[in-house]
Amino acid sequence: QQQVKQSPQSLIVQKGGISIINCAYENTAFDYFPWYQQFPGKGPALLIAIRPDVSEKKEGRFTISFNKSAKQFSLHIMDSQPGDSATYFCAASISNSGYALNFGKGTSLLVTP
Amino acid sequence: GAVVSQHPSRVICKSGTSVKIECRSLDFQATTMFWYRQFPKQSLMLMATSNEGSKATYEQGVEKDKFLINHASLTLSTLTVTSAHPEDSSFYICSARVRGGGKTDTQYFGPGTRLTVL
Repeated sequence: QQQVKQSPQSLIVQKGGISIINCAYENTAFDYFPWYQQFPGKGPALLIAIRPDVSEKKEGRFTISFNKSAKQFSLHIMDSQPGDSATYFCAASISNSGYALNFGKGTSLLVTP
Repeated sequence: GAVVSQHPSRVICKSGTSVKIECRSLDFQATTMFWYRQFPKQSLMLMATSNEGSKATYEQGVEKDKFLINHASLTLSTLTVTSAHPEDSSFYICSARVRGGGKTDTQYFGPGTRLTVL
């Protein structure tokens, strides 16, 4: 059973545009929500993460928006670049309970020149 | 900082042989290491969680006698795929959780190991 639902499955954005990827969860015990970027044949790299006590977190061109009441969070990539073309995974975990990450199914992002 | 390495990066073996994959945290101590499996164009599926000095905890459906995990130190965990078969061919990725400090939730991933069983 997929505990974190991610959409869209794939996304095409023009260079300079905003890429938006959404995730939703059911388990209210989740308290840590990271986003990972993965290039083909490589391991995932941590992009940015947020906790439920914050509604937004920004690091460079990457922003997480978090809506606790709706149990949703999203990744915004501003000024998208061709080098951002990769697969993005959202995840959720519970602190002090194993810390195992529950991943979304991933979003394949293509940024066209 | 926070670099995790895996060795080998790619391995091809014959059916019936065993393969060992190493996962090392290079510049930090890892309280916990996790092993994931990823099929092409799919998400990461957690196989097992290992804590240094104790037995690994396996996810439902993962055969512990087939996927042997040893976590010998705070910087090294190994996954051994015993009697590998073609259906075990996959991308195996480890991650390590930072010990102590303010980032104990953070998991850093290794570059992955591509296993192909002929």
